[in-house]
Amino acid sequence: DAGVTQSPTHLIKTRGQHVTLRCSPISGHKSVSWYQQVLGQGPQFIFQYYEKEERGRGNFPDRFSARQFPNYSSELNVNALLLGDSALYLCASGQGPFSYEQYFGPGTRLTVT
Amino acid sequence: DQQVKQNSPSLSVQEGRISILNCDYTNSMFDYFLWYKKYPAEGPTFLISISSIKDKNEDGRFTVFLNKSAKHLSLHIVPSQPGDSAVYFCAARTSGSGNTGKLIFGQGTTLQVKP
Repeated sequence: DAGVTQSPTHLIKTRGQHVTLRCSPISGHKSVSWYQQVLGQGPQFIFQYYEKEERGRGNFPDRFSARQFPNYSSELNVNALLLGDSALYLCASGQGPFSYEQYFGPGTRLTVT
Repeated sequence: DQQVKQNSPSLSVQEGRISILNCDYTNSMFDYFLWYKKYPAEGPTFLISISSIKDKNEDGRFTVFLNKSAKHLSLHIVPSQPGDSAVYFCAARTSGSGNTGKLIFGQGTTLQVKP
């Protein structure tokens, strides 16, 4: 079975631009969470979606938004990119809305110049 | 407000010996604790978890111990192998109403196992 997949692998954007990151969860998993990992730190929670509804939101500005599709895949959108948005963006999938065991994808490395 | 802390940025052990990675937390509402391993250019890989109602969980070479009174948990790897060299993250989830799958991570500890 395929694990969590994310695209693209790497991305370079300019300040002020918009970016869309994509994630497909493990087959059968209905929950998708997004995390941001800055170099030298642990992942920080951005959003959780379950059954297309937002279940949780971390301490991130409104420039960050996400959605989940009927096939449980998800998109993370970031508007008006700042240099500080440069990070590894990780997607994690879980079976249910309260799943504590989450399985991560390889991440998307975003560089903002 | 760092609710989950891994105070040792790095640890080096000899192959075959025990590796002990430590994690401290401040929030008594955490109900599950997890350990993840991360290799460069890969996402974190789930290793082992423990419920807050238990004090020990074992899975092969990996054992996690939880000391709730000290708000401390540790991951023991016995015996350590060179392939265990990676960054290890401790993570925790909050219980209670409005519970989600949100995990709070520590900063990570880089383990190096020398042949």
